[in-house]
Amino acid sequence: DAKTTQPTSMDCAEGRAANLPCNHSTISGNEYVYWYRQIHSQGPQYIIHGLKNNETNEMASLIITEDRKSSTLILPHATLRDTAVYYCIVLDTGRRALTFGSGTRLQVQP
Amino acid sequence: DSGVTQTPKHLITATGQRVTLRCSPRSGDLSVYWYQQSLDQGLQFLIQYYNGEERAKGNILERFSAQQFPDLHSELNLSSLELGDSALYFCASSVRADQETQYFGPGTRLLVL
Repeated sequence: DAKTTQPTSMDCAEGRAANLPCNHSTISGNEYVYWYRQIHSQGPQYIIHGLKNNETNEMASLIITEDRKSSTLILPHATLRDTAVYYCIVLDTGRRALTFGSGTRLQVQP
Repeated sequence: DSGVTQTPKHLITATGQRVTLRCSPRSGDLSVYWYQQSLDQGLQFLIQYYNGEERAKGNILERFSAQQFPDLHSELNLSSLELGDSALYFCASSVRADQETQYFGPGTRLLVL
């Protein structure tokens, strides 16, 4: 699976959009970009995933660049409950296990 | 609530002992994954089962073993426990065996004294 690079930590004001970047410059054509988050010591929570096109669901939006070498997770209106570690994971078709890196620790400030 | 349940929530035991962690996947999910999260190693994949059969292995120690039963629940057995086995153990499930969104349980916190 392609390696990902994320900032170690970020701050965001409550109510503002949180934009979390991820670099995956060695991504190949059949690899998906997944985002999970972990709030404190709870089980990781699936957020969103995509291959080429931008995706949106009730939790977030995923913007993938045209060359697919980077992506941005957008939480449109961050709340205090969005404070968590966010993991960007690149996953090959047929690969089963998630490989978690260090992630980005997002702190939403009141 | 992901729909994945894990028991027990907490477990305290001594070195050399053996414990069993249990996981019930979401209704309809055939695949179960086990992950270990320790302070120094982060979240690491241990093993995957699909419909009762082992599908993939990660960094699972020989002292650890798992199985998935006909009702699809899974158990992770940890034996000859060492202090370094203290960690959070998560179970996740998915519908299929490959590249499918995984839903995680709340975890079992194991403390080996």
